[in-house]
Amino acid sequence: GAVVSQHPSWVICKSGTSVKIECRSLDFQATTMFWYRQFPKQSLMLMATSNEGSKATYEQGVEKDKFLINHASLTLSTLTVTSAHPEDSSFYICSARDGGQHLFRNEQFFGPGTRLTVL
Amino acid sequence: AQSVTQLDSHVSVSEGTPVLLRCNYSSSYSPSLFWYVQHPNKGLQLLLKYTSAATLVKGINGFEAEFKKSETSFHLTKPSAHMSDAAEYFCVVSDDGSTLTFGKGTMLLVSP
Repeated sequence: GAVVSQHPSWVICKSGTSVKIECRSLDFQATTMFWYRQFPKQSLMLMATSNEGSKATYEQGVEKDKFLINHASLTLSTLTVTSAHPEDSSFYICSARDGGQHLFRNEQFFGPGTRLTVL
Repeated sequence: AQSVTQLDSHVSVSEGTPVLLRCNYSSSYSPSLFWYVQHPNKGLQLLLKYTSAATLVKGINGFEAEFKKSETSFHLTKPSAHMSDAAEYFCVVSDDGSTLTFGKGTMLLVSP
């Protein structure tokens, strides 16, 4: 299968600062990337969908000015949590969909996640 | 609208005994259904998926799931649990093949 990486794997920051999380598809071109949020002992909730070169589509209730998503290339998407507060502490997971013409087309491959703690 | 209910938050089994993780779904269309596994500090890994072909789907690591439309269920089974199967398992539904809706997860505990 395809590999998706995330960096950093964990980050601690002070309240009011901004944090950037990177999501990379290592061996395929991801036409679409997804960002999820997972609270402890809860399911993954889709935050936004981004297509390379266009603006992200945010799910209802997700503040687009707070969670900035950039998908500037076919292998990289970034999520920036702006002016982070303790309630933004969570596990953020990205996934990437391979738009190629082979067995894994349209399958989402998930990154290992980033644990964000805001003090 | 699509939704998923995983009926058990935790399942405990002994090594070598069968595993059953239950999942019921709600979908307006003919859904695609998935099971993912998440090991601690690891990304989600696809175990298997149903996309309107055979109703009995075989996945990796000896897991399989059966799509039962009349019961709106997609339970995950394995004949014999292994210690390495201990992880969290998510049942996922998709109406359009793109947007995934996750269940709340079932933690599988395997004792020696």
